Amino acid sequence: QKEVEQNSGPLSVPEGAIASLNCTYSDRGSQSFFWYRQYSGKSPELIMSIYSNGDKEDGRFTAQLNKASQYVSLLIRDSQPSDSATYLCAVTTTGSYQLTFGKGTKLSVIP
Amino acid sequence: NAGVTQTPKFQVLKTGQSMTLQCAQDMNHNSMYWYRQDPGMGLRLIYYSASEGTTDKGEVPNGYNVSRLNKREFSLRLESAAPSQTSVYFCASKGDGRFVYNEQFFGPGTRLTVL
Repeated sequence: QKEVEQNSGPLSVPEGAIASLNCTYSDRGSQSFFWYRQYSGKSPELIMSIYSNGDKEDGRFTAQLNKASQYVSLLIRDSQPSDSATYLCAVTTTGSYQLTFGKGTKLSVIP
Repeated sequence: NAGVTQTPKFQVLKTGQSMTLQCAQDMNHNSMYWYRQDPGMGLRLIYYSASEGTTDKGEVPNGYNVSRLNKREFSLRLESAAPSQTSVYFCASKGDGRFVYNEQFFGPGTRLTVL
């Protein structure tokens, strides 16, 4: 059974701080890793994807992948109240059509 | 370019009634998916279609049927709705084949309540 684990939160950070969201996965064959943002009552929106060990930066977002530790994280710099949402980690393996999702971490950015 | 669209947005059914949720995508994607999302349970895959003409069960297929009508459209049918099927249903699509780099894109969802 492939599993993706996330701390459910809520994670509260003050405006302007760095928010750190973490995800671990059980399948060592996992090759592709995604972070989705989901606002309350809305659908998941893809914000980051990462495929190689190391860091990938896109604006205020940085995804970090460590395959040896089976760990992927998302850093949000200069957090804004508009970043308040649930963040879903998703993982897939080469040749698979399916994503395995974590249950999500709820982030609250306090003005 | 609308992406992934779903109808209806909201629906209330009585136990035992049937209905079909519609999904369409205009991104020329081969793969399409149906998920349900419940509080504390995360997103769970119901059925998926890797390509036109094929469908496969996901994690929670019981009580559902699907039809891949053509490359654009993928419908989900509840033959006899039960209160346990009260949920938010999301359709998603993904680009060609089994390439590593193809992400899934989600529709806006259907909120279904079964009384």
